[in-house]
Amino acid sequence: GENVEQHPSTLSVQEGDSAVIKCTYSDSASNYFPWYKQELGKRPQLIIDIRSNVGEKKDQRIAVTLNKTAKHFSLHITETQPEDSAVYFCAASINAGKSTFGDGTTLTVKP
Amino acid sequence: EAGVVQSPRYKIIEKKQPVAFWCNPISGHNTLYWYLQNLGQGPELLIRYENEEAVDDSQLPKDRFSAERLKGVDSTLKIQPAELGDSAVYLCASSFGQGEETQYFGPGTRLLVL
Repeated sequence: GENVEQHPSTLSVQEGDSAVIKCTYSDSASNYFPWYKQELGKRPQLIIDIRSNVGEKKDQRIAVTLNKTAKHFSLHITETQPEDSAVYFCAASINAGKSTFGDGTTLTVKP
Repeated sequence: EAGVVQSPRYKIIEKKQPVAFWCNPISGHNTLYWYLQNLGQGPELLIRYENEEAVDDSQLPKDRFSAERLKGVDSTLKIQPAELGDSAVYLCASSFGQGEETQYFGPGTRLLVL
């Protein structure tokens, strides 16, 4: 089955800096790649997603890039703010089927 | 629009006792998921429903876990008997289905088995 690896497991940045989180997947049939933000004790919330027919997607300070050949995708957060501090999860799925999640990255943005 | 609703939010039980979790998906969402999330890890799929049909339950420990989604709306996940290792957060999610993959998560039920 699908295997998703996420790096780094923890990331600390200074407010205003950029943060990058990377994920690799194993199943070349995966075609949907969402990113979720989970604050402590709260539900995971979708922040951005990308489908395999595009290479990059941007939404204000957040962007995701996808390299299908290398089977990896990345989350980019620019101009980080303290409220960006949370755990971020990547996931990969095939046609809205089973989603396999990475183990998460704990992002800390220091003011 | 109301989000995914789960109850209870917290549950503490002794091992070998039964426990049940309930989920009400977003209205109109045909696909419902139950995930288990251990501390410091990503959610792991237990079972996925398309309407009333369980289309993926390969990760559900069927000796002690069961689930149902009667009438294709609400769903219940049951553990009987619970073991110490079942302590985790149980998340329910739903999506519209029919090619719309975006999943919306509920707040989860935090289970502690003593």
